[in-house]
Amino acid sequence: DIQMTQSPSTLSASVGDRVTITCRASQSISSWLAWYQQKPGIAPKLLIYTASTLESGVPSRFSGSGSGTEFTLTISSLQPDDFATYYCQQYSSYSLGTFGQGTKVEIK
Amino acid sequence: QVQLVQSGAEVKKPGASVKISCKASGYTFTNYAMHWVRQAPGQRLEWMGWINAGNGNTKFSQKFQGRVTITRDTSASTAYMELNSLRSEDTAVYYCARGRGEKPFDYWGQGTLVTVST
Repeated sequence: DIQMTQSPSTLSASVGDRVTITCRASQSISSWLAWYQQKPGIAPKLLIYTASTLESGVPSRFSGSGSGTEFTLTISSLQPDDFATYYCQQYSSYSLGTFGQGTKVEIK
Repeated sequence: QVQLVQSGAEVKKPGASVKISCKASGYTFTNYAMHWVRQAPGQRLEWMGWINAGNGNTKFSQKFQGRVTITRDTSASTAYMELNSLRSEDTAVYYCARGRGEKPFDYWGQGTLVTVST
């Protein structure tokens, strides 16, 4: 099975900061990578798919990049509504839908 | 607008089964897959399996193979996930999520809490 590893697990940042989260796949997944935002008690929200395509309605301060085994999610200027947990997900293989362990973005 | 509405919370004893429903509206049900994802308390999201709502084909995570069944009723635009032989480690929130092609889980149900306890 393909394993997904995110770093860091927790990130402390301030409003206005540029934030980058990394996700690594245990083998190449081409660009079959998605990013989600989840707040406590609420279902995840799709932010980005195919590594860099912004989902409709998602603010442009969110961006994604990468291919193969290494990917990043960047928030260009952190806003109060962005404090949440972020998950990457690969959807390339039979073990469809493996998620990373999550990155919690906290207020510094 | 697209909505996925799941059935309510369940409390089950170890060894029992649970069946959760996910009613879809606002789109053509048979044009999409329906996935099931769970999240144990404080844990990462865990993909369980999916059904092609058009032809009924299914695929499951190896972890749940043999213990999970996913079905659908196209006349009711509803997907179902049944998990058997429940154990305490199955205590989690279970989500359904719509997917198709290059765009994975773009709409999610509200989640169903399943508690397994004696």
